[in-house]
Amino acid sequence: GAVVSQHPSWVICKSGTSVKIECRSLDFQATTMFWYRQFPKQSLMLMATSNEGSKATYEQGVEKDKFLINHASLTLSTLTVTSAHPEDSSFYICSARSGTPQETQYFGPGTRLLVL
Amino acid sequence: GQNIDQPTEMTATEGAIVQINCTYQTSGFNGLFWYQQHAGEAPTFLSYNVLDGLEEKGRFSSFLSRSTGYSYLLLKELQMKDSASYLCAVSDSNYQLIWGAGTKLIIKP
Repeated sequence: GAVVSQHPSWVICKSGTSVKIECRSLDFQATTMFWYRQFPKQSLMLMATSNEGSKATYEQGVEKDKFLINHASLTLSTLTVTSAHPEDSSFYICSARSGTPQETQYFGPGTRLLVL
Repeated sequence: GQNIDQPTEMTATEGAIVQINCTYQTSGFNGLFWYQQHAGEAPTFLSYNVLDGLEEKGRFSSFLSRSTGYSYLLLKELQMKDSASYLCAVSDSNYQLIWGAGTKLIIKP
């Protein structure tokens, strides 16, 4: 149990385009989903937390107009990187948590984004 | 401020035992998690401790002492596939996960 999928696993795009990443909880209902970014050889950085049906809460320094998050259902959250630039190239990972906040976060496999 | 400390890198020999320490200072405590992350992959859940003591799960064990803000992950009978980064994360008073920078474990034959 507790499987989280992400799609796509790899994306290469031109500078200025937008990219959408999907995160799905396959066998449980995720009341809360998290989006992280990780640069090579660095630690996980939380970008935002989203609860189903409400607006995402962004961490300090993360532009909400650039990283659009939608958590429309209990099994799906999307992250859209708008007008992507080379500095947005990174490993984007979502995680999902069910029920109470004490529950474990389970991670998706990640999406590697390369902006040319 | 909130802080999680763990060693940057450790080296151990295949078949041996290694202990990865984690110390924390957070505003509140609602549990401590250990995750394993292989290079280029997402983290996978290993263990969760909320009460003091040792939790054993196969070759992996995790220990917690809340009074000293200390935890360790113990890996026994090391295998080459255990080469990975091990992340310590603490759930604070708002149930927000505070992440350590991770310990890169290198296993040598």
